[in-house]
Amino acid sequence: NAGVTQTPKFQVLKTGQSMTLQCAQDMNHNSMYWYRQDPGMGLRLIYYSASEGTTDKGEVPNGYNVSRLNKREFSLRLESAAPSQTSVYFCASTRRQGKTYEQYFGPGTRLTVT
Amino acid sequence: AQRVTQPEKLLSVFKGAPVELKCNYSYSGSPELFWYVQYSRQRLQLLLRHISRESIKGFTADLNKGETSFHLKKPFAQEEDSAMYYCALYTGNQFYFGTGTSLTVIP
Repeated sequence: NAGVTQTPKFQVLKTGQSMTLQCAQDMNHNSMYWYRQDPGMGLRLIYYSASEGTTDKGEVPNGYNVSRLNKREFSLRLESAAPSQTSVYFCASTRRQGKTYEQYFGPGTRLTVT
Repeated sequence: AQRVTQPEKLLSVFKGAPVELKCNYSYSGSPELFWYVQYSRQRLQLLLRHISRESIKGFTADLNKGETSFHLKKPFAQEEDSAMYYCALYTGNQFYFGTGTSLTVIP
């Protein structure tokens, strides 16, 4: 199993450009998440999808859109990139394990907006 | 509102010394708490969860509902413990992460 994979690993955009970050998991998990990681801010949830066909806003959704294409894939789109969106983006999926849950993370995408 | 607080952004200890990373939470329901670790240039991975009452890599964490805390402890720090540590709260549909503590173990 590859676990959670993300593409690209690095990306540089100019202000106003758009792009889509791709995420896929091969663990048959229902829930998937997008976070951004910023120094001193920890991980903040952008959007999540509790199951195929549903998406919900997290703590910092402005400037982003998501698509749960199927059970495996959950993409994050920046329609008009801004320097404030410079960050490391992590995708994650969650499975129930007994009475608790475990979250698996992708390797991250380092995005710089100039 | 749900919240996870990690008061220390940076923590340095000498090898062999005890280490404690603090985590406090705010949640009206029954909490499910976790510690995640991120080693340099690696993805986040689960370290331990309160419900399992486990010890992983010498680390333990006890949920104290009275103090709403879930501090991470290790009696003897090792150099390989140097990493970023995140405390997380699960509320049934999403995880809330603290701001993280960067632990450096000095040889």
